[in-house]
Amino acid sequence: DAGVIQSPRHEVTEMGQEVTLRCKPISGHNSLFWYRQTMMRGLELLIYFNNNVPIDDSGMPEDRFSAKMPNASFSTLKIQPSEPRDSAVYFCASSLFSGGSTDTQYFGPGTRLTVL
Amino acid sequence: KNEVEQSPQNLTAQEGEFITINCSYSVGISALHWLQQHPGGGIVSLFMLSSGKKKHGRLIATINIQEKHSSLHITASHPRDSAVYICAGGMDSNYQLIWGAGTKLIIKP
Repeated sequence: DAGVIQSPRHEVTEMGQEVTLRCKPISGHNSLFWYRQTMMRGLELLIYFNNNVPIDDSGMPEDRFSAKMPNASFSTLKIQPSEPRDSAVYFCASSLFSGGSTDTQYFGPGTRLTVL
Repeated sequence: KNEVEQSPQNLTAQEGEFITINCSYSVGISALHWLQQHPGGGIVSLFMLSSGKKKHGRLIATINIQEKHSSLHITASHPRDSAVYICAGGMDSNYQLIWGAGTKLIIKP
């Protein structure tokens, strides 16, 4: 299996531009997570999908952030408009079941976003 | 409040040394995950423990449920073990992991 695939790996953009991050979870996995990692705050859960349905988006910072999962093999995280404080590494992770306490999450390589 | 605390925050050791990283957690956490992140790299799950001990190569993870404490050990440490090690607590019927702050490990040759 190819593992969780994320694209792009690096993104540099200017403030105000729209940014779209993409994720392909491991085939057969039912849960998908988007995380943001910064030096100051560590790993933060942004949104959790189960069976393509958003279950918890309480971690999404503000209305500038949106996420979709149109099918079991694809998800996007969009930031519009982007701001310098959005600069971070964004990880996508998937797990086989419902993401419970014993469910291992498999992480993608991350997208390093820099907003100038 | 559900919490996970790691220690030490930073650890520097010489190649070959036995390494121990500790993780304490609060009531409500029923499983403990250990993950590894290399500099500039992705995050890899190493272990998931709800009881006992697990071993993979030179890595050993233990958990003491009564004391709510888990340890990650590295035997015969090597510079390639240099990474951030993160513990995260999971709760029954809950998708959210409670993340520790991470331990930055540097192994010098």
